[in-house]
Amino acid sequence: SQTIHQWPATLVQPVGSPLSLECTVEGTSNPNLYWYRQAAGRGLQLLFYSVGIGQISSEVPQNLSASRPQDRQFILSSKKLLLSDSGFYLCAWSGGQGKADTQYFGPGTRLTVL
Amino acid sequence: DAKTTQPPSMDCAEGRAANLPCNHSTISGNEYVYWYRQIHSQGPQYIIHGLKNNETNEMASLIITEDRKSSTLILPHATLRDTAVYYCIVTSFEWSSSNTGKLIFGQGTTLQVKP
Repeated sequence: SQTIHQWPATLVQPVGSPLSLECTVEGTSNPNLYWYRQAAGRGLQLLFYSVGIGQISSEVPQNLSASRPQDRQFILSSKKLLLSDSGFYLCAWSGGQGKADTQYFGPGTRLTVL
Repeated sequence: DAKTTQPPSMDCAEGRAANLPCNHSTISGNEYVYWYRQIHSQGPQYIIHGLKNNETNEMASLIITEDRKSSTLILPHATLRDTAVYYCIVTSFEWSSSNTGKLIFGQGTTLQVKP
């Protein structure tokens, strides 16, 4: 069966510090991968998606970037965090092969920027 | 903007069926109805999805009206652990420049199961 991991689970960072969040998927190959953010009391917003290694598409302009160095690894980064980057970050995967499919979410990382 | 409309909150007695409605009057012919739920401080959990036929799995049943403009998620015997925000989403599986596979989450329905 497939599983998705995210770490860390929680993170408190000062403004201006760098960020690296990691997501890995097990039990599947060539998945589509997604990064979402959920601000407090709000719905999920898609930040990035990837259909393959090194292929990243951004949904909204922001202070963040994403990379996919391996087939089942998706990383969210920032060089300098802003207060507005605080939120609940969720990674999701779906079947790939160039088509959309049911998305399954990880446990999330709660980021607080102070 | 979300393509669905859900009541903001509902209560249900433990052990009774919870029926959560969703309106999606602008749904397209190739769009599926998906349901997810999010328990506090956790990632969304996939529940069920359907195109036009009713669907059932080990978690829930999905009833879609014949005109596909609305649907109902049924939790047959609600427990306290079913307390969560339930999201109804419509999406297609067809990738295009305007459909990147993203799920558009609205505000959902907060279901409170009470003992």
